[in-house]
Amino acid sequence: DVKVTQSSRYLVKRTGEKVFLECVQDMDHENMFWYRQDPGLGLRLIYFSYDVKMKEKGDIPEGYSVSREKKERFSLILESASTNQTSMYLCASRGAGGNTGELFFGEGSRLTVL
Amino acid sequence: GIQVEQSPPDLILQEGANSTLRCNFSDSVNNLQWFHQNPWGQLINLFYIPSGTKQNGRLSATTVATERYSSLYISSSQTTDSGVYFCAVEGNAGNMLTFGGGTRLMVKP
Repeated sequence: DVKVTQSSRYLVKRTGEKVFLECVQDMDHENMFWYRQDPGLGLRLIYFSYDVKMKEKGDIPEGYSVSREKKERFSLILESASTNQTSMYLCASRGAGGNTGELFFGEGSRLTVL
Repeated sequence: GIQVEQSPPDLILQEGANSTLRCNFSDSVNNLQWFHQNPWGQLINLFYIPSGTKQNGRLSATTVATERYSSLYISSSQTTDSGVYFCAVEGNAGNMLTFGGGTRLMVKP
């Protein structure tokens, strides 16, 4: 079975802190994604990566950065957390093959910024 | 980009009832998935179904790509079916999924 693991299920941080959200997948997938989910706004793509050290902006990249140093790991970084970044963060991965392939999600990380 | 609309937005069922959830999309797709988001927030894969019909227990899904819709059918619903159901599609030109707004299902005992 595909497993996508997110490092923390729940986090509470203070405004201005640097926050790291880690995601690891065990299926040798090329593509990895970070989404955030907010009530009434659905799932919105923050960043994705199609290969090691490669990244592409999604719909809402402002205030975030990402790192993909190893194929299995994709990190989301909030350089200076703000209250409007309180949200549910979802990591996902899938294999290569252009625009095909099943997407698998991690359990989610619920971040609260005070 | 491709537009995805799900209906109904909210649905309340009595345990044992059947239901059909709908997903309409605005363009040709290469990829379509159905997910169930459980009360803890995790998105569980239900079907990977860019075309045709699949069944898994009490759930089945059909995608008619030429008519730009997919349906998820839940039979003999159970309280554990409660949660939000998402449809996500990927168009020919893209390499990422676009999600619909979801259908929030509550199954009452």
